[in-house]
This record gives sequence, C-alpha cells and structure tokens, in this order.
Amino acid sequence: EIVLTQSPATLSLSPGERATLSCRASQSVSTYLAWYQQKPGQPPRLLIYDASNRATGIPARFSGSGSGTDFTLTISSLEPEDFAVYYCQQRDNWPPVTFGQGTRLDIK
Amino acid sequence: QVQLVESGGGVVQPGRSLRLSCAASGFSFSSHGMHWVRQAPGKGLEWVAVIWYDGSNKYYGDSVKGRFTISRDNSKNTLYLQMNSLRAEDTAVYYCARDLGGVAVLNTLGWFDPWGQGTLVTVSS
Repeated sequence: EIVLTQSPATLSLSPGERATLSCRASQSVSTYLAWYQQKPGQPPRLLIYDASNRATGIPARFSGSGSGTDFTLTISSLEPEDFAVYYCQQRDNWPPVTFGQGTRLDIK
Repeated sequence: QVQLVESGGGVVQPGRSLRLSCAASGFSFSSHGMHWVRQAPGKGLEWVAVIWYDGSNKYYGDSVKGRFTISRDNSKNTLYLQMNSLRAEDTAVYYCARDLGGVAVLNTLGWFDPWGQGTLVTVSS
C-alpha cells in the first residue's frame, strides 16, 4: 500500500499570505494525486486532481504541482475561508486509494 | 445541483449489521462509479469501497473486505453499503461520493467529487 506523508502537520499563516503544503508518496504515483479541503462539520471538497488540474468551481488561487513522489498544493493568497484541513490522495494502480494524514491550516 | 444524501447510520452493537443508503439526485447516477469513504472521529479519511457505474466491478479496502458489501440500484438512484460483523473500529462518519469519471470518459477514475454530508455509525455495546 502506498503511504502518503503530509507536511507540515499544522501551518499557521495570516490572510493574504502564501501557503505551501507538501505531500510525499512512499513510491511513485506518477501524477495520480488529488487534494481535498475539509472544513469542520463538512465533507471534503475536491480541489485538485491529476496533480495539477483544478476541479470545477475551484478558485485560481489554488494550484497543484509535482509528479512521482513529491507534490505541492499552493494557495497564492489566503482568504479567510481557506483555513481548513487539507488532504492529499493517490490513485496510482488503484484500488485501493490512500489518503495522507492531513495538514491543518490555521489562522495566525 | 448534484446532491448525495446518506442515511441509515446509528448506534449498533459489535457483531451486528447495518445498511447505509445514499440517495443521489441532480446528475445521471447510472453513468458514474460511486464510492464509500469513512472518517473516524477526529481522524483522517479511509477509502472503503467502489462500485462501477453499471455494478460490474466492486472493490474494497482491506479493513472491510469480506464484511462489507457495496451495491447500487440505478432505477432508484441509490447506493448502498451493507455492513456485517461490525467492530468498534468501524465507528466513523460514512460518506458516499461520486467518482469524477464515468461513462463519458469510459473509466472510473478514483477521484471523489462531490461528497455527501455523511452518516455517523457508532459501534458500541
């Protein structure tokens, strides 16, 4: 099973700042990686799939990059509604798919 | 708009069974693969199962294989998860989610969009 490790566990930033979240896979997943945002009491929302494709309705300030084992989610300028938990997920040679443990993005 | 509404959660004793349902609307249900994903209280996400758009393929996570069964009724736009031999570690919010792929791309992709609001299953004596 492919293990995804997200870093940092918690990131504290202010609105307007740039956020960079990392996801590392235990083996290559090509570009089969997605990012989800989850706010308290809500289900996750797909942000990015295939490493860099924004899902429908996702603002342009969210971008994804990477391939192989190292991936990054970047939020160019944080809005108040962006403070949430972010998960990465892989689907290389699935099933199964696996998720990272999450990065909590807190308001500083 | 696309809507997924789960039901059937509750408190159940270890070893007992429970069936979850997910009612879909606002899209062509029979054209998309569907998933169940769960989240234990305060924890991360765990994929549970997938069923192809036509029910032809079903796959399960190792932790539920042999105990859970995913199924669908395309005439009722409804997805199901039959959970048998429940354990305390099955306690979680269970989400149904539509696969991003489908008949249009001739594939079930393994990306989840959108998700329902979830239903809580608590396994406790």
